[in-house]
Amino acid sequence: AQSVTQPDIHITVSEGASLELRCNYSYGATPYLFWYVQSPGQGLQLLLKYFSGDTLVQGIKGFEAEFKRSQSSFNLRKPSVHWSDAAEYFCAVPPYGVKAAGNKLTFGGGTRVLVKP
Amino acid sequence: DGGITQSPKYLFRKEGQNVTLSCEQNLNHDAMYWYRQDPGQGLRLIYYSQIVNDFQKGDIAEGYSVSREKKESFPLTVTSAQKNPTAFYLCASSGSGEQYFGPGTRLTVT
Repeated sequence: AQSVTQPDIHITVSEGASLELRCNYSYGATPYLFWYVQSPGQGLQLLLKYFSGDTLVQGIKGFEAEFKRSQSSFNLRKPSVHWSDAAEYFCAVPPYGVKAAGNKLTFGGGTRVLVKP
Repeated sequence: DGGITQSPKYLFRKEGQNVTLSCEQNLNHDAMYWYRQDPGQGLRLIYYSQIVNDFQKGDIAEGYSVSREKKESFPLTVTSAQKNPTAFYLCASSGSGEQYFGPGTRLTVT
């Protein structure tokens, strides 16, 4: 089954600086991939998703992610961070990377982003 | 507005009591999920249901029970058998791949 790893537990970034969050998956073929964001005490919000096609995916809130098959990665980026981006970010993938209605998702452990003024 | 509602937002119970967390969705999604979130541990799947009147255990089902009598509703009961019930509980639903989450219920058992 698919697994997903987020190597960084915490990242601190200055407001206005760029941000990159790492996500690595285990499946060999091209999987479905998701990034979610969670503000403190809230539910998760979908930032973006990758199913196929263009490997650079645009999402909401100015985020983008790039799928790199050779590195089994799906890193999330933002060129200029705002204080409101302070949150926890989760990468997720369904079992065996397969797109199917009703599939479970396996979540990475999350990366908490702190934004310095 | 379409979405997922969870109630209540905060719930307090005494040890030894069963408690039921509500989850309702009006997105017309077939699949629904319950997750538990503890500090520093990400999300762990408790139960999921892909269709009405059917559900499957997730990774940490012990001490929990669910029902799925209606498409819109997927209540979770935290029983007295759950050894460590204090946590943040998230409900989600899915139609064609991505999952949509409710705002969560924070359960505290003392």
